[in-house]
Amino acid sequence: DQQVKQNSPSLSVQEGRISILNCDYTNSMFDYFLWYKKYPAEGPTFLISISSIKDKNEDGRFTVFLNKSAKHLSLHIVPSQPGDSAVYFCAANQGGSEKLVFGKGTKLTVNP
Amino acid sequence: GAGVSQSPRYKVAKRGQDVALRCDPISGHVSLFWYQQALGQGPEFLTYFQNEAQLDKSGLPSDRFFAERPEGSVSTLKIQRTQQEDSAVYLCASSQTRPGTGDTEAFFGQGTRLTVV
Repeated sequence: DQQVKQNSPSLSVQEGRISILNCDYTNSMFDYFLWYKKYPAEGPTFLISISSIKDKNEDGRFTVFLNKSAKHLSLHIVPSQPGDSAVYFCAANQGGSEKLVFGKGTKLTVNP
Repeated sequence: GAGVSQSPRYKVAKRGQDVALRCDPISGHVSLFWYQQALGQGPEFLTYFQNEAQLDKSGLPSDRFFAERPEGSVSTLKIQRTQQEDSAVYLCASSQTRPGTGDTEAFFGQGTRLTVV
C-alpha cells in the first residue's frame, strides 16, 4: 500500500506562472515531510521540508503547505523557471524512524 | 569528498551473478541509507546504518541482499544470485543527524543503475 501518494505523474506549466505539486499521505504518524528534486541521471536533491507542527514553510520561490487534517501537502513554485523542469518527489518520515517513504514522483515541465 | 559518491555508475550482470555496489558517504556523516528505485517509482528504503551499526534492514527484499559498513564510513551493498527483478537504480544517501530529530536532510548519490540480463 502506498503511504505517500503523488497522483499526478506529470505537470506542464508556462514559464513565470505558478507550479503546484500535490502529495497525499495515509499514515497519521508521519511528522516530517520533505520535497526532493531529481534531474535525469542524478540522485534526488533536497529542496524544502516542513515539520508537522507548522502549516507553511517558505524558501525563496518554493513554499510547502501542510494540511494535517486532510493529510495533504503541496509544493508551490513561483515563478516557475525552465530550470525547474525535473521530477519532484514527496517524502515523509515518522519521528524515531530512520526511513523516508517516497511518493512515485511528479514530472514537472516548465515551458519557455 | 564534496558529495556522496557511488560506484559503479552502471552495472550489467548476468542472471545468477553476484554484484557489489559501493557508497562513499559525505565525510563525517553518521547515518547512511540504501534505497532501491525501480523504473517509474519513487525510491524505496532498503537499509540504514548509524556509524557501523546496521539498525534497520527491514527493507531488504530477500536474504540475497546484504549490506555492510564495517568502519562506519564506506558501505557496500551486495546482491547474490541476481535476478531480473533486481534491475533498478540503487541509491545511497547520508546525513549528519539522526533522522526524525528535526531539520534532517539526506544527501543522495547519483546511484548505480543495475541491469540484470
